[in-house]
Amino acid sequence: AQSVTQLDSHVSVSEGTPVLLRCNYSSSYSPSLFWYVQHPNKGLQLLLKYTSAATLVKGINGFEAEFKKSETSFHLTKPSAHMSDAAEYFCVVSDGRGGANNLFFGTGTRLTVIP
Amino acid sequence: EAGVTQSPTHLIKTRGQQATLRCSPISGHTSVYWYQQALGLGLQFLLWYDEGEERNRGNFPPRFSGRQFPNYSSELNVNALELEDSALYLCASRDREETQYFGPGTRLLVL
Repeated sequence: AQSVTQLDSHVSVSEGTPVLLRCNYSSSYSPSLFWYVQHPNKGLQLLLKYTSAATLVKGINGFEAEFKKSETSFHLTKPSAHMSDAAEYFCVVSDGRGGANNLFFGTGTRLTVIP
Repeated sequence: EAGVTQSPTHLIKTRGQQATLRCSPISGHTSVYWYQQALGLGLQFLLWYDEGEERNRGNFPPRFSGRQFPNYSSELNVNALELEDSALYLCASRDREETQYFGPGTRLLVL
């Protein structure tokens, strides 16, 4: 079975400092992993995805994530936080069996950026 | 390229009524997914449609149903509305690389 655990429900950083949002996953199969961002009253926007190619994945807006199979982790990082990064972030694993591609979402991490 | 669109943006209903939510996928995408984002419950998979057929459904009662039209747009119907159905309903369409792209959502409020 697929599942995702986001280790922090809320992360607060100062503008210009690094961001680390932690995610651990469980999957019986070779997973596809995603990070999505949701700004207030908006839908979800894809930040990046891992699909068994390079373990370090670069996404939009300066975000990147590293797939570590031995640690079953897929943490999201950014070197320098911007005020516009304040949002809810979801780590997601895909169940690709039978072409379903049903997504299993973590509970989300709310990122606050302090000016 | 236009993204996934959903209508209406907001919907207010009373208990027992029916709600119909609509979704248009990105051009060329044939798979449409529906998710419910309820306060305190996170995002839950509802339904998956592909090529006009329901392919899979999440752990929701049968009063949640839908359909996909020949142009791949989709409707989600919720019958006999309950207060706990109040949520943001998100639609997503999937590309050939199996990545899902989300619409802005429909916020349903049941009074």
